[in-house]
Amino acid sequence: SQQGEEDPQALSIQEGENATMNCSYKTSINNLQWYRQNSGRGLVHLILIRSNEREKHSGRLRVTLDTSKKSSSLLITASRAADTASYFCATDEGTYKYIFGTGTRLKVLA
Amino acid sequence: EADIYQTPRYLVIGTGKKITLECSQTMGHDKMYWYQQDPGMELHLIHYSYGVNSTEKGDLSSESTVSRIRTEHFPLTLESARPSHTSQYLCASNPGLMKDTEAFFGQGTRLTVV
Repeated sequence: SQQGEEDPQALSIQEGENATMNCSYKTSINNLQWYRQNSGRGLVHLILIRSNEREKHSGRLRVTLDTSKKSSSLLITASRAADTASYFCATDEGTYKYIFGTGTRLKVLA
Repeated sequence: EADIYQTPRYLVIGTGKKITLECSQTMGHDKMYWYQQDPGMELHLIHYSYGVNSTEKGDLSSESTVSRIRTEHFPLTLESARPSHTSQYLCASNPGLMKDTEAFFGQGTRLTVV
């Protein structure tokens, strides 16, 4: 079974709005990562947050991590049509394996 | 763009055929992975490797096999393809300890078995 569960499964917003997606996981981790996947393509790494970090920023992305709740959130501010993609969280589960969540499909309407 | 390549991008084959999906990376990464991705998006780890001559099965049972004879090459083979193998297959690699590094993905191979 997958380590991570993303919520919501699908999200549709207007251009310029913020998009928030959440990820929950089950076991202790060293880090949590967020990836983006354009339709039919491979995944591209967005941001990595370590277990001793609570928040991290990269451009229009903000990631938070709450290890007590075993959850993370990804916020995309001022969304653009080009942000339309699927977003996945991934955890290392303390091993050498990346375990991916179920993904959130984001659609940004122009 | 990451230097990890998968071929072919698309493949349609008949039931019972033997196929090999190729994955190569030019980054010298020790760790490589194969994921199977269903149309509903979820990624399932089917094989991984820590380095040359190291292969492990992932969390999802798969009838495929892999080999790692060279660092840069991690092919996946299906001895006898079936319609249930229809899926997207994603190859990935990473350079070091998981706690510090990201995974780099190829563009994927979309396999259809008819």
